[in-house]
Amino acid sequence: GENVEQHPSTLSVQEGDSAVIKCTYSDSASNYFPWYKQELGKRPQLIIDIRSNVGEKKDQRIAVTLNKTAKHFSLHITETQPEDSAVYFCAAPQEYAAGNKLTFGGGTRVLVKP
Amino acid sequence: DAGVTQSPTHLIKTRGQHVTLRCSPISGHKSVSWYQQVLGQGPQFIFQYYEKEERGRGNFPDRFSARQFPNYSSELNVNALLLGDSALYLCASSLGQGLGEQYFGPGTRLTVT
Repeated sequence: GENVEQHPSTLSVQEGDSAVIKCTYSDSASNYFPWYKQELGKRPQLIIDIRSNVGEKKDQRIAVTLNKTAKHFSLHITETQPEDSAVYFCAAPQEYAAGNKLTFGGGTRVLVKP
Repeated sequence: DAGVTQSPTHLIKTRGQHVTLRCSPISGHKSVSWYQQVLGQGPQFIFQYYEKEERGRGNFPDRFSARQFPNYSSELNVNALLLGDSALYLCASSLGQGLGEQYFGPGTRLTVT
């Protein structure tokens, strides 16, 4: 089955600096890679995603890059703000005729210090 | 438009009991997925249903079952509850039969004592 590893598990940055979180996956058939942000006590929220036919996608201060050959994808947050403090999860789906499965990484706790 | 809704918000059960959790997807979404999130960990995939049929199953015992109704709402049932079943149960809906662009509900916090 799919194995998704996420690093680092915690990340502390100064406000205004950049944050980068990396995920690796094992199933080369995976073709969609979402990132979720979960604030304390709240539901995971989809913040950005990328499909395997592109290498990079940006949305304001966040971007995701994908390297299909190396089987890893990364979340980049620029000009971090205190409200970026949360736990971030990557995920990779497996979609087969026999059934679908979505595997999440273990999460990265990001703390943005003012 | 209303987002994904789940009920109840919180639930306390005793070991050995049975529980039913409910989820209503975003209007127009036909797929519902269920996840278990233990404190400090990422969500673990339990089931996906699309058009009332099971489309995916995670590594959970047969004590866990689910179904989807004609209006696309869904129930997750857990029998013979164990202490280890204590977790946040999340439901997510998406438009099609794939696992892309899922939107999560607020979750049901289940505590088993």
